[in-house]
Amino acid sequence: EAQVTQNPRYLITVTGKKLTVTCSQNMNHEYMSWYRQDPGLGLRQIYYSMNVEVTDKGDVPEGYKVSRKEKRNFPLILESPSPNQTSLYFCASSTRDRASTDTQYFGPGTRLTVL
Amino acid sequence: DQQVKQNSPSLSVQEGRISILNCDYTNSMFDYFLWYKKYPAEGPTFLISISSIKDKNEDGRFTVFLNKSAKHLSLHIVPSQPGDSAVYFCAASKGSNYQLIWGAGTKLIIKP
Repeated sequence: EAQVTQNPRYLITVTGKKLTVTCSQNMNHEYMSWYRQDPGLGLRQIYYSMNVEVTDKGDVPEGYKVSRKEKRNFPLILESPSPNQTSLYFCASSTRDRASTDTQYFGPGTRLTVL
Repeated sequence: DQQVKQNSPSLSVQEGRISILNCDYTNSMFDYFLWYKKYPAEGPTFLISISSIKDKNEDGRFTVFLNKSAKHLSLHIVPSQPGDSAVYFCAASKGSNYQLIWGAGTKLIIKP
């Protein structure tokens, strides 16, 4: 079954304690992306990756890091989380072929609370 | 400044009637538009898309209309069913840029 998985699904942590949210896809997609969803703001892109070892900032990259060492994995790292990073996070992947339906497949989301 | 706007946070429609969800954009360079649907505790899923070279795209009960001069698109669902109750997001992209710019979403409630 084609899917994007994220772990953990829920996380409560404290300010300053480093954490990693994992993301994995089994569709051999080149493009992967991280979003955060906040009330009234829709989805805002944090970072994206066009392929292995190729990453770039999205609209709200401050306070986040990513890596893309393997095609299937795209972890999101918060080195020193702060309360304003409390949010719902989604990982997504897609092909890079604009000639076809370049829809993004989303993971189920990770709800993060930073106290 | 939000480039993609969904001005109705929620919409309530009777089952069997038409649901119309609206989306406005400000960037005339956007050339590809998508609608996603999201249920609680799940990620968004792709629903329907439209290229700027078209003004209508239909898929079963779902039709998206694009009015480029007004920078407006709408999603029509006919007939509305209880399973359509969800949050609907409008998104846009431009050229070869794969980044999607998202609206804030509209929560659709279908009343039995």
